[in-house]
Amino acid sequence: NAGVTQTPKFQVLKTGQSMTLQCAQDMNHNSMYWYRQDPGMGLRLIYYSASEGTTDKGEVPNGYNVSRLNKREFSLRLESAAPSQTSVYFCASSVEGGQGYNEQFFGPGTRLTVL
Amino acid sequence: AQSVTQLDSQVPVFEEAPVELRCNYSSSVSVYLFWYVQYPNQGLQLLLKYLSGSTLVKGINGFEAEFNKSQTSFHLRKPSVHISDTAEYFCAVSDLYGGSQGNLIFGKGTKLSVKP
Repeated sequence: NAGVTQTPKFQVLKTGQSMTLQCAQDMNHNSMYWYRQDPGMGLRLIYYSASEGTTDKGEVPNGYNVSRLNKREFSLRLESAAPSQTSVYFCASSVEGGQGYNEQFFGPGTRLTVL
Repeated sequence: AQSVTQLDSQVPVFEEAPVELRCNYSSSVSVYLFWYVQYPNQGLQLLLKYLSGSTLVKGINGFEAEFNKSQTSFHLRKPSVHISDTAEYFCAVSDLYGGSQGNLIFGKGTKLSVKP
């Protein structure tokens, strides 16, 4: 039982390049999330998927797109990377979003640097 | 709308001393409360949670937190810290009624630095 896995662990991009961050969970969770973590800012929600087939914007969605490929996988795409997107990205999952009790399980993170 | 305020961005403390990390929240509805810990270069893991019942909640690694509804606080405490407790700690709140899909709202974090 690997929990939440993310690939890659590290990535360096040039401004304007695109890339996709991958996330998968093996806990049969319905809800999945993408956060970014910046120094002194805590975690901010980019996008979430309450269930397979649905996605919704979080607090900071600009510059990102997501795909809930199936119940296990939730990817985050940067179409044209900008230096402001340099951050650590975390994927998380929970049994059921929208039900109040929302213990989330986090992946190890992807450190992205945009030059 | 909910918000979480962690009153201290950094807390230095000597080994074996007690520590309190402060968290206050704002919400117009009842909430669930969480503390997560992030060790250097790792993801977040749940330390403890308050859902209902006893206001004193015990978590892993000897940590505990007390929910105070009148003061809208959920402070984290440990009576004697170890070097290995050096980490960043995040307080988070979730709407009891699933507003915004029950998403977690995080505070900005408190870095606990335990010195020998």
